[in-house]
Amino acid sequence: GESVGLHLPTLSVQEGDNSIINCAYSNSASDYFIWYKQESGKGPQFIIDIRSNMDKRQGQRVTVLLNKTVKHLSLQIAATQPGDSAVYFCAERSSASKIIFGSGTRLSIRP
Amino acid sequence: EPEVTQTPSHQVTQMGQEVILRCVPISNHLYFYWYRQILGQKVEFLVSFYNNEISEKSEIFDDQFSVERPDGSNFTLKIRSTKLEDSAMYFCASSEGLGRDNYNEQFFGPGTRLTVL
Repeated sequence: GESVGLHLPTLSVQEGDNSIINCAYSNSASDYFIWYKQESGKGPQFIIDIRSNMDKRQGQRVTVLLNKTVKHLSLQIAATQPGDSAVYFCAERSSASKIIFGSGTRLSIRP
Repeated sequence: EPEVTQTPSHQVTQMGQEVILRCVPISNHLYFYWYRQILGQKVEFLVSFYNNEISEKSEIFDDQFSVERPDGSNFTLKIRSTKLEDSAMYFCASSEGLGRDNYNEQFFGPGTRLTVL
């Protein structure tokens, strides 16, 4: 069930370094996995997605890795910038129109 | 760049009152969604809507909730009798399609913060 008052894990990264944010998912039947970025006071913003039959996908400065064996998803951000500070959510498409969000990770950037 | 808009940005209401949260999805999108996010928690799916009917809903979306597309541009979420635990940020989203062979990105609005006193 849901945990009330869930405390977000935080990742602190030096500006310019690479960031790796990890996520565990639960539903083996999900066909798409998505990473969202949520800045303070805004709605989730799509970053990148990956289909379940792939294990890696690259975008601009971001890479998503999918390990179906251990139900693990990761987001790698290269050369992290101050504008990358946000909460990052992994999500899975469990049916055609339903997305299940995971717990977020707060990414903070040290100057 | 087209975007999803939501009004109001913040709604304060008394417990037991009805509230209507409004959204204007991106104009050529056909699928509409509502999500909520209780402070400090994950984003939760409430309902999806297509062709003037609900496609899918979660267990959270009980009889107190309803959605409507009253005209060609607005998409609303109504909570009939608000409870304290309805206090949350409510996000509207829209997508062009469902993308059965690919993922059709859902574009999220900025949210409406609902506070039930």
